[in-house]
Amino acid sequence: AAGVIQSPRHLIKEKRETATLKCYPIPRHDTVYWYQQGPGQDPQFLISFYEKMQSDKGSIPDRFSAQQFSDYHSELNMSSLELGDSALYFCASSLVRLGEQFFGPGTRLTVL
Amino acid sequence: AQKITQTQPGMFVQEKEAVTLDCTYDTSDQSYGLFWYKQPSSGEMIFLIYQGSYDEQNATEGRYSLNFQKARKSANLVISASQLGDSAMYFCAMRGSVEAGNMLTFGGGTRLMVKP
Repeated sequence: AAGVIQSPRHLIKEKRETATLKCYPIPRHDTVYWYQQGPGQDPQFLISFYEKMQSDKGSIPDRFSAQQFSDYHSELNMSSLELGDSALYFCASSLVRLGEQFFGPGTRLTVL
Repeated sequence: AQKITQTQPGMFVQEKEAVTLDCTYDTSDQSYGLFWYKQPSSGEMIFLIYQGSYDEQNATEGRYSLNFQKARKSANLVISASQLGDSAMYFCAMRGSVEAGNMLTFGGGTRLMVKP
């Protein structure tokens, strides 16, 4: 079965640089979620999209933005990167009514 | 606001034995869902089992079962016949009502170590 695809899997950036993370949901899933998991922490919800519109917003910094495109893939754009942004970034997708969220493999971002 | 509490930061279990991972939750929603995810050292988040707040029967998926006690607001994960590959971090998570947004709130996790 097709799963959530995230790219890149690993990313190394310098402070103050920008990064773009991509997420391709499971086919026919119309909702995408982004989570951030810092080292030794539980995942924290950042933002979600339903049918290409922002659905909910969590603890996403103003330096971050995201969108969902017409093909349902989503991108998380991160600017002015800080050391504290180093984390595992997960994308998940779901069919709204089922509610079960299936996670991608994550993108490990390291900010030096 | 929703809150998930996992009181066991780490646990050991002998291979082939059963183990229970605790999870308690707090929510004002009448409709909600409870999830368990497994996160091996490689980092991916693997969905294990789901229980809806209106489900009368406890969810089961192979060796995983969810002991759902609504009045106590607990949703413990039971893993039967533990295997070495079960060694991982386990997260309990909650989704509120669809109207509330469907995002997941996670507990702090329990690290399970299976001894041969």
